[in-house]
Amino acid sequence: DQQVKQNSPSLSVQEGRISILNCDYTNSMFDYFLWYKKYPAEGPTFLISISSIKDKNEDGRFTVFLNKSAKHLSLHIVPSQPGDSAVYFCAAKGANNLFFGTGTRLTVIP
Amino acid sequence: DVKVTQSSRYLVKRTGEKVFLECVQDMDHENMFWYRQDPGLGLRLIYFSYDVKMKEKGDIPEGYSVSREKKERFSLILESASTNQTSMYLCASSLGGTVYNEQFFGPGTRLTVL
Repeated sequence: DQQVKQNSPSLSVQEGRISILNCDYTNSMFDYFLWYKKYPAEGPTFLISISSIKDKNEDGRFTVFLNKSAKHLSLHIVPSQPGDSAVYFCAAKGANNLFFGTGTRLTVIP
Repeated sequence: DVKVTQSSRYLVKRTGEKVFLECVQDMDHENMFWYRQDPGLGLRLIYFSYDVKMKEKGDIPEGYSVSREKKERFSLILESASTNQTSMYLCASSLGGTVYNEQFFGPGTRLTVL
């Protein structure tokens, strides 16, 4: 049973516009959330994270928002660049490991 | 820079063969993980290890075993490969401890079982 869900398998955005990637989770005990980015033929790389005691964390063009009551987090990329085209996974920290979503493929169109 | 390497990028095996996937990290990390990535299912944890000779089952351990004889090396073993084990296998490592530490991933091994 998927505890972390990304309901949009793909997203296309024009260069310079905002990309919004969404993630929902079911376990209210999760206390730390992460986004990973994956290029083809490479392993995922860490992008940004947020603790459950916060509702927003920003790092340059990337901002993660957490809505605990809705069990929802989102990643905003502004402005989007062609190099951001990749698969994005959200993940939630369990007791010993991470639970990953199914991924969203972002395509930024030049 | 943390480096996690996996022995093969692509591997083709036959049903019933014993398969070894090797992972090596060079940053003295205590924790090591094996995931598989499948379309529509994301990354799912197979096994992890928090110390030499220690192992814990993840979400989908059936059909797999692991070995960690040295701190830097974590092996995934398919005792008798089956076609439903065709997948992308990703190894990761992280520092140990009670707080969460970032996981660093290797490039993956795409295994095809015929």
